Amino acid sequence: GNSVTQMEGPVTLSEEAFLTINCTYTATGYPSLFWYVQYPGEGLQLLLKATKADDKGSNKGFEATYRKETTSFHLEKGSVQVSDSAVYFCVSYGGSQGNLIFGKGTKLSVKP
Amino acid sequence: DTGVSQDPRHKITKRGQNVTFRCDPISEHNRLYWYRQTLGQGPEFLTYFQNEAQLEKSRLLSDRFSAERPKGSFSTLEIQRTEQGDSAMYLCASSLLMSSYNEQFFGPGTRLTVL
Repeated sequence: GNSVTQMEGPVTLSEEAFLTINCTYTATGYPSLFWYVQYPGEGLQLLLKATKADDKGSNKGFEATYRKETTSFHLEKGSVQVSDSAVYFCVSYGGSQGNLIFGKGTKLSVKP
Repeated sequence: DTGVSQDPRHKITKRGQNVTFRCDPISEHNRLYWYRQTLGQGPEFLTYFQNEAQLEKSRLLSDRFSAERPKGSFSTLEIQRTEQGDSAMYLCASSLLMSSYNEQFFGPGTRLTVL
């Protein structure tokens, strides 16, 4: 079945630093891919999505490109803020069942 | 509508007791999902409903677990004879079937602690 592997954290950055969180997937076909974010004390929220190969998802300054050649969907942001501190999950659509398959999550802490 | 709600937010129980959680999805959403999240892990799929029909169950869902969505609106997840290994965050999500990419909206979760 489909699976997702993302880099382990925690990741600690200074404000305005560049962020990359690596994510690779294995799947039959080309499932939709997502990044979900969980801010402290809050529920999971969709951050961005890409529904087919070469799509670029973007939101709140974050970007991720669906690359089928490398089966990757890395999350990037050029300049992180303290408010970006959260746990980030790389997620694959599970297919016919409609369920989502989550990576283990990467905790990001941004220091002022 | 303020999103997906779950009740209770926290539950502490003794091993062997039964517990029941409730999820109220976004009102027009016809798909409802249950996930379980343990510490340091991502959520894992348990089961999902389309309207009132339970269409898929994960192998993680042992016989002690049962879920219902009797009128295609709210859902309940019951765990019988709880074990310490059941301690986790139980998440509910809902989505609209016609959504092209199946965006799922998550509730805040119910944190279960089995003593």
